[in-house]
Amino acid sequence: KAGVTQTPRYLIKTRGQQVTLSCSPISGHRSVSWYQQTPGQGLQFLFEYFSETQRNKGNFPGRFSGRQFSNSRSEMNVSTLELGDSALYLCASSWTGEGSQPQHFGDGTRLSIL
Amino acid sequence: EDQVTQSPEALRLQEGESSSLNCSYTVSGLRGLFWYRQDPGKGPEFLFTLYSAGEEKEKERLKATLTKKESFLHITAPKPEDSATYLCAVQVGGGADGLTFGKGTHLIIQP
Repeated sequence: KAGVTQTPRYLIKTRGQQVTLSCSPISGHRSVSWYQQTPGQGLQFLFEYFSETQRNKGNFPGRFSGRQFSNSRSEMNVSTLELGDSALYLCASSWTGEGSQPQHFGDGTRLSIL
Repeated sequence: EDQVTQSPEALRLQEGESSSLNCSYTVSGLRGLFWYRQDPGKGPEFLFTLYSAGEEKEKERLKATLTKKESFLHITAPKPEDSATYLCAVQVGGGADGLTFGKGTHLIIQP
């Protein structure tokens, strides 16, 4: 069974640009969550999508946005990139996101801002 | 504010030397506590979910336990391949809430 797939694995951008990251969840999983991982802050929750609707959002500025498609695949967009946005961006999926279903993570997209 | 604190930050053990990692949490309405393992360059790999105080889960050399204030990940007779960062996370409130993670324990097992 294929796991969570994230593309691309690595990205280099410059300040002010925007970027789109992609995530394909495990087959049958309909909930997709995004996290930012940095050495200083660790893993922090960005937002969660289910049935193409954002159900919850973490404490991040509006430059961070996402969407989910009818096949449960999800994209995350960051506009007007800042140096501090350099991080590993992780996507996780679960069946419905309800209760305490474990979230299964992809290997992330490493974003570097020059 | 929900908080998850892991200790120690780093731990170096000899192969076969058993030890425990700690995860203490201050949350309201715990729905579940999760343990993950993360290898360099990889995403976190799910290990265990614990739901209520007194619960225990085991997998190979790992055993996770839960009390009302903390969780322990016990590693028995570890091998070098157990070297990784171990992350603890909690889920509170509604099902759509994201996980709150601790900063992790970086474990090194020396042959």
